[in-house]
Amino acid sequence: ETGVTQTPRHLVMGMTNKKSLKCEQHLGHNAMYWYKQSAKKPLELMFVYSLEERVENNSVPSRFSPECPNSSHLFLHLHTLQPEDSALYLCASSQGTTTDTQYFGPGTRLTVL
Amino acid sequence: AQSVTQPDIHITVSEGASLELRCNYSYGATPYLFWYVQSPGQGLQLLLKYFSGDTLVQGIKGFEAEFKRSQSSFNLRKPSVHWSDAAEYFCAVGGLTGGGNKLTFGTGTQLKVEL
Repeated sequence: ETGVTQTPRHLVMGMTNKKSLKCEQHLGHNAMYWYKQSAKKPLELMFVYSLEERVENNSVPSRFSPECPNSSHLFLHLHTLQPEDSALYLCASSQGTTTDTQYFGPGTRLTVL
Repeated sequence: AQSVTQPDIHITVSEGASLELRCNYSYGATPYLFWYVQSPGQGLQLLLKYFSGDTLVQGIKGFEAEFKRSQSSFNLRKPSVHWSDAAEYFCAVGGLTGGGNKLTFGTGTQLKVEL
């Protein structure tokens, strides 16, 4: 595997379910990001991790819980989501958290019923 | 606060025609500017980036962009569009913030290519 991978690619869940999104980067990068992409809206940065420490949390509701166990893996744990949380969730990584280019995964298409 | 405006939501061009996608940004210091492309069902792929130096930047797939500080613009161009260029294009501005590398994206321009 090369680049940034995300699993699952599609997820349908009920409002009471608990699920997790997984992201893995094979680029040797030190920073990882979660973005939300909703229709007709700009990409929204959710979380930034640098060397496994969370350095930014963009006022994201607590029903989204990120986890970064090491510099190659990033998770987004989901619980009691709302239908408006349905979106494409994109993971990205970069060498550092300065001006380095971010490389994106293919995303997980999440539908909340 | 930094912001990006892509004034064209949809653009349709004929295959072989030239293309220009507009991007205007707002940023207090020297910006770092990016163009990404997203094909259906895919993540974002970097086309090109501007950090400093020559204001005309060459990217992949025959794309180029020109940074114009006086106009706060970073328009993307391609002299001859191919049908495979049909996708959504995102301009982004980044820079050092309290949280490090924070990219702010525009709302995107959907490109349709007519054969």
